[in-house]
Amino acid sequence: QKEVEQNSGPLSVPEGAIASLNCTYSDRGSQSFFWYRQYSGKSPELIMSIYSNGDKEDGRFTAQLNKASQYVSLLIRDSQPSDSATYLCAVNINDYKLSFGAGTTVTVRA
Amino acid sequence: GAGVSQSPSNKVTEKGKDVELRCDPISGHTALYWYRQSLGQGLEFLIYFQGNSAPDKSGLPSDRFSAERTGGSVSTLTIQRTQQEDSAVYLCASSARMNTEAFFGQGTRLTVV
Repeated sequence: QKEVEQNSGPLSVPEGAIASLNCTYSDRGSQSFFWYRQYSGKSPELIMSIYSNGDKEDGRFTAQLNKASQYVSLLIRDSQPSDSATYLCAVNINDYKLSFGAGTTVTVRA
Repeated sequence: GAGVSQSPSNKVTEKGKDVELRCDPISGHTALYWYRQSLGQGLEFLIYFQGNSAPDKSGLPSDRFSAERTGGSVSTLTIQRTQQEDSAVYLCASSARMNTEAFFGQGTRLTVV
């Protein structure tokens, strides 16, 4: 079982729609969860962190965490063409190692 | 500095040569990670440093790879006798302490010819 798994994508959504990204993880003891955005040819950029069960909103982004189900998601509301990128889910495994999923590529159609 | 700084940005080397990649983390950050990202692939964990503790080298792909972190700050990743399959972007990230937000440098693109 992979440490962090993401829905494979690619995901194509029309401008203004909601993009929904999902991630599951293997370590039941994980406490820290992150979403990164990576544009082609660039390094990953942190967009959200979440540590407690429930929702966390930041602008058009909402992260959702369910530790019982070992599931974390990211919603992008009112998607814009500038949101087109690969989104990486990252989880602290074994209390320190920051492990990444393979990423989901999102394309927002104008 | 304001962010994580990596050098060089690009490195082209001949097969069999040794290379050194440098990472200067955000000032005061105690945790430092190295990752490798091959073209179109995800991030492969290489090594982790936390303060003065022994590093976790579990991700290093072979004994040609080594890394050190001097004085709890700057880190260098050394690849000996480079091979073509070592061609990738090498990314460094730092965080204030373990289990907190990590910030990436711009990466070093290594090409082995």
